[in-house]
Amino acid sequence: SQQGEEDPQALSIQEGENATMNCSYKTSINNLQWYRQNSGRGLVHLILIRSNEREKHSGRLRVTLDTSKKSSSLLITASRAADTASYFCATHGRETSGSRLTFGEGTQLTVNP
Amino acid sequence: DTAVSQTPKYLVTQMGNDKSIKCEQNLGHDTMYWYKQDSKKFLKIMFSYNNKELIINETVPNRFSPKSPDKAHLNLHINSLELGDSAVYFCASSQDWAGGTQFFGPGTRLTVL
Repeated sequence: SQQGEEDPQALSIQEGENATMNCSYKTSINNLQWYRQNSGRGLVHLILIRSNEREKHSGRLRVTLDTSKKSSSLLITASRAADTASYFCATHGRETSGSRLTFGEGTQLTVNP
Repeated sequence: DTAVSQTPKYLVTQMGNDKSIKCEQNLGHDTMYWYKQDSKKFLKIMFSYNNKELIINETVPNRFSPKSPDKAHLNLHINSLELGDSAVYFCASSQDWAGGTQFFGPGTRLTVL
């Protein structure tokens, strides 16, 4: 199975609600990153959290990392219709040579206006 | 100014043909990547170059051959195209090969008929 598995696979919420997506991984990591992909577009980097960090914020985004549970969560507060996209976590493994990121399968978030 | 650009955006071709996808980044990054995203949106690394040197070469058919004429360009040539090659191919770049943020191009949707 893969490094970086997101949960849920799909999430549908109303505008203004919070959205939480989870990511689990299997091996030790140097960092974990979250990316957003709008339909038909490339991935856009959101946040990078290092293995020695537990929480990071960026605007309406909050990422947590629990290395003991090998899991991370992405919280989007006060969601907007424009947040509708697929969200991917990606891990840079400690055993990895070079720059390889391993991506999860993504969570499709739909924010209904 | 586009940071990572790819051409073409769409490519429709017959089985057995040879095609190339071009990628350029104007970010001054040292490292570039090719990813394949399948119909389920799973993103898999194919190749990575650092300063024109191949550093990641995943298990892909040898019909796929990357070429990096300089560190700002990474092209992907595919010989004898097969139906299973249909996917979206993304180019990306990062400052170095230390596993940091990656910047993605808009993708090339390849359809093999």
